[in-house]
Amino acid sequence: NAGVTQTPKFRVLKTGQSMTLLCAQDMNHEYMYWYRQDPGMGLRLIHYSVGEGTTAKGEVPDGYNVSRLKKQNFLLGLESAAPSQTSVYFCASSQGLIQPQHFGDGTRLSIL
Amino acid sequence: EDQVTQSPEALRLQEGESSSLNCSYTVSGLRGLFWYRQDPGKGPEFLFTLYSAGEEKEKERLKATLTKKESFLHITAPKPEDSATYLCAVLDSWGKLQFGAGTQVVVTP
Repeated sequence: NAGVTQTPKFRVLKTGQSMTLLCAQDMNHEYMYWYRQDPGMGLRLIHYSVGEGTTAKGEVPDGYNVSRLKKQNFLLGLESAAPSQTSVYFCASSQGLIQPQHFGDGTRLSIL
Repeated sequence: EDQVTQSPEALRLQEGESSSLNCSYTVSGLRGLFWYRQDPGKGPEFLFTLYSAGEEKEKERLKATLTKKESFLHITAPKPEDSATYLCAVLDSWGKLQFGAGTQVVVTP
């Protein structure tokens, strides 16, 4: 049972480059989320989706875009990477708003 | 402003030495409080959900409790494999989930 799978696991980018992080879940969950985790800070919500074809902004959405074309996939895009976006990115999914979220193992992204 | 504060930031325990972690919160209308365990290089792993004051949940050496202002995660007779960072997260009446910064627990043999 894979749960939530994130690709890639590691990536190094140069400032100004673009990339897409992929999240896939096999639990048929409606809700999906993208977070970033930085040292000394709690997980912060970037964007989320309450169902296929929907997206909404979270706490720190600037510089990121997302798409949810299929229920099982949630993509996070960085159009022009900046050093401030160096972080560990986690994807999560849940069956509903008050149900617990299940997380992938993260993408470690460094921007030089 | 809604806040979730975890204390202590770090905790070092001897094997068998019981202790408690604290998660205090100020949110409008608690809809749920979640505890997670996070190992290095991994994503958070769900442990418990608490929905109302007075509720308790247990799993092996862990027990979570909830009051109107805070939650405690009690670790009874910890083992080295309980070493991890423990995160709490609070869901408010608006549907916003806010995470604390975590407590890093190290259990030595």
